[in-house]
Amino acid sequence: QKEVEQNSGPLSVPEGAIASLNCTYSDRGSQSFFWYRQYSGKSPELIMSIYSNGDKEDGRFTAQLNKASQYVSLLIRDSQPSDSATYLCAVNGVTTDSWGKLQFGAGTQVVVTP
Amino acid sequence: EPEVTQTPSHQVTQMGQEVILRCVPISNHLYFYWYRQILGQKVEFLVSFYNNEISEKSEIFDDQFSVERPDGSNFTLKIRSTKLEDSAMYFCASSARGTAYNEQFFGPGTRLTVL
Repeated sequence: QKEVEQNSGPLSVPEGAIASLNCTYSDRGSQSFFWYRQYSGKSPELIMSIYSNGDKEDGRFTAQLNKASQYVSLLIRDSQPSDSATYLCAVNGVTTDSWGKLQFGAGTQVVVTP
Repeated sequence: EPEVTQTPSHQVTQMGQEVILRCVPISNHLYFYWYRQILGQKVEFLVSFYNNEISEKSEIFDDQFSVERPDGSNFTLKIRSTKLEDSAMYFCASSARGTAYNEQFFGPGTRLTVL
């Protein structure tokens, strides 16, 4: 059973601080990794994608990937109250027949406190 | 900015009835998906679709479900005989590429309530 695991939270972060979210995945052959933000009652919104080991930065967001450890993380710098949401880690399929199937973690709820 | 749209936003139906959920993917995208999210649970993959064919489907996507691209813009999910456990948010997504490196963009969802 392929799994994507995240701490459910809530992760309470003071405004202006760094939020650090973690995700592990079980399928060693997974190729691509995505972070989605989901506000309550809304749909997932893509905020980051990462395919290679290392860091990828986009504005206040940094994604980190370590395929050897099967670990992907998301840092949110200068956290704002509008960052309060559930962050979903998603992993794409391994084989050419499974290119479209995103497997999601349960999400980490982030609460940014003023 | 292009976006995926879905209608209706909320659908209430009686158990055993047929429902059709509609989606308009981003215009230059060729790969389409349906996911669902039961309240308080993970987002779950249902089906992927390309070139008027199902590419992959999950165990959830049984004979009660079907998908169709009836014209050049719409992508539909049909549930033939709804069950109570079909109550969920249904999300349509689309992507420009059909590789593992495909960024999928989600629509706002249809909340399906089966009574």
